[in-house]
Amino acid sequence: GAVVSQHPSWVICKSGTSVKIECRSLDFQATTMFWYRQFPKQSLMLMATSNEGSKATYEQGVEKDKFLINHASLTLSTLTVTSAHPEDSSFYICSAAPGQSQPQHFGDGTRLSIL
Amino acid sequence: GQQVMQIPQYQHVQEGEDFTTYCNSSTTLSNIQWYKQRPGGHPVFLIQLVKSGEVKKQKRLTFQFGEAKKNSSLHITATQTTDVGTYFCAGPFGYGQNFVFGPGTRLSVLP
Repeated sequence: GAVVSQHPSWVICKSGTSVKIECRSLDFQATTMFWYRQFPKQSLMLMATSNEGSKATYEQGVEKDKFLINHASLTLSTLTVTSAHPEDSSFYICSAAPGQSQPQHFGDGTRLSIL
Repeated sequence: GQQVMQIPQYQHVQEGEDFTTYCNSSTTLSNIQWYKQRPGGHPVFLIQLVKSGEVKKQKRLTFQFGEAKKNSSLHITATQTTDVGTYFCAGPFGYGQNFVFGPGTRLSVLP
């Protein structure tokens, strides 16, 4: 149980393109989902906390107009990287937890490459 | 400043040797979680510790939560090549109690 599906797993696109990444909890309801960015050989950097039915909470330094998050249902959150540029290239990974302080279950991540 | 620290950053061991990674928090934690991320994979939840001084075992892995609930350790006995990966600890911080991940300890096991 506790499966989180994330897609696409790999995106290559031109600079200026907007990219949408989906994160779904397949077998449990997640009031809260999390979006992370991970640079090679580094830790997970929390970008934002996605709350179902309300606005996402962004971490300091993360541009909310750049990284649009929508949490339309208890099983789906999306991250849209708007007008992506090469510096946005990274590994983006989502997670979901069935409740506060509960273990997080991670998606497989999306490797984004902006040319 | 960094809220969760882990040492060492890297550890190379010979298969069969033991391995320990330490996690230290700047503040007292209500609980702490450990995750493992294999190369090219996503983090996988290993365990959650809640009580002061708690010790939990999973086969060759032993997890400990400090008495002051500010530090934790993960010890692997007789490492195997399947233990390769990065081990992260994570603790809840701030008003929202979102989990902050430590920098991780990358374990390499030489056959």
